[in-house]
Amino acid sequence: QKEVEQDPGPLSVPEGAIVSLNCTYSNSAFQYFMWYRQYSRKGPELLMYTYSSGNKEDGRFTAQVDKSSKYISLFIRDSQPSDSATYLCAIGRDSRYKLIFGSGTRLLVRP
Amino acid sequence: EPEVTQTPSHQVTQMGQEVILRCVPISNHLYFYWYRQILGQKVEFLVSFYNNEISEKSEIFDDQFSVERPDGSNFTLKIRSTKLEDSAMYFCASSEVERGGQFFGPGTRLTVL
Repeated sequence: QKEVEQDPGPLSVPEGAIVSLNCTYSNSAFQYFMWYRQYSRKGPELLMYTYSSGNKEDGRFTAQVDKSSKYISLFIRDSQPSDSATYLCAIGRDSRYKLIFGSGTRLLVRP
Repeated sequence: EPEVTQTPSHQVTQMGQEVILRCVPISNHLYFYWYRQILGQKVEFLVSFYNNEISEKSEIFDDQFSVERPDGSNFTLKIRSTKLEDSAMYFCASSEVERGGQFFGPGTRLTVL
């Protein structure tokens, strides 16, 4: 079983749609969770991070963690064409140790 | 806004040569990392570094790899004898606190010929 699983997409939505991106993970030892956006041939850009179950909101982005189901989500409201990128989930134990990345979901927001 | 910087942006080298990739983490950060991403593949962890020592390293990070924080600002990754399969984007990252976000640099594209 892979440590982190993420649907590769592509996911194509019209501008203004709500986007839902998801990952599952297998090891309950992982306690903190991040979402990154990556444009082609660029570095991952940190969008959200959290280490607890529940929701965390920042502008148009909401991160949701359900540790009992080992399931994490990122919601993007009012999606824009500039949101078109690959979205990576990443999980870890704490800052001394590695992040394990999902394979990324490619998102296309159509004008 | 503070950011992680990396040099060079692109490095081309011959197989068997040594390369040093350089990073300047965000200034008050305490945790440092190297990751790599082969084209079309996942971001893979190489090594984490805290309090002047390696905290964790992956199977990829064998004896050919080393890291150093030679002064208060730079963090380097050295590959002693490059192989074709070392061709990838190499990302440096840093984090301020335990359980803080990891902030990535723009990457160095390493091409081994």
